[in-house]
Amino acid sequence: GQNIDQPTEMTATEGAIVQINCTYQTSGFNGLFWYQQHAGEAPTFLSYNVLDGLEEKGRFSSFLSRSKGYSYLLLKELQMKDSASYLCAVRDYDYKLSFGAGTTVTVRA
Amino acid sequence: SAVISQKPSRDICQRGTSLTIQCQVDSQVTMMFWYRQQPGQSLTLIATANQGSEATYESGFVIDKFPISRPNLTFSTLTVSNMSPEDSSIYLCSAVAGELPDTDTQYFGPGTRLTVL
Repeated sequence: GQNIDQPTEMTATEGAIVQINCTYQTSGFNGLFWYQQHAGEAPTFLSYNVLDGLEEKGRFSSFLSRSKGYSYLLLKELQMKDSASYLCAVRDYDYKLSFGAGTTVTVRA
Repeated sequence: SAVISQKPSRDICQRGTSLTIQCQVDSQVTMMFWYRQQPGQSLTLIATANQGSEATYESGFVIDKFPISRPNLTFSTLTVSNMSPEDSSIYLCSAVAGELPDTDTQYFGPGTRLTVL
């Protein structure tokens, strides 16, 4: 099975940077996903890491260290619309996703 | 990429009844899954929808309660049977597109918000 931990809540100011950490212990690893979920909506794909290192996509970056069972999502130049829940999910060799509980990010003006 | 649609988007049902949720993908996909998100919680996998054969269920989920069909590579249904208020959740269809094993795509449908009275 998978055990995935991420902080429950984070608050930051508009224009700032926030880093959401995710640690995992798995019985099989076939990639790590980050999703964004606004209240009442479905998760939307943000990033995917399967190899160690940093993946950058505009204001969002994601990092993975497989040896440490660790990932982070970095949100830069925060905007009010970034207020949402951010879900860390680990995929196994059967392509099944196990999700962390999610981190609620609140962006304040 | 793949675009996933679900019907209905939401429903309010009486306990003891059943509801079938449809998931349609706009292109052929390799794998399809059904997830549940209970109020205030994260997503939990219900089952893998296998094309042309019985679904593979996760621990805590059984076929009699959540029968699943997948007749082809673009369509699947999930039925929530003999509903109780504890079944009130968002049900999400998910699909893996691209060539296995090297695929970085895993999409979700918009979800079906179910309330059982």
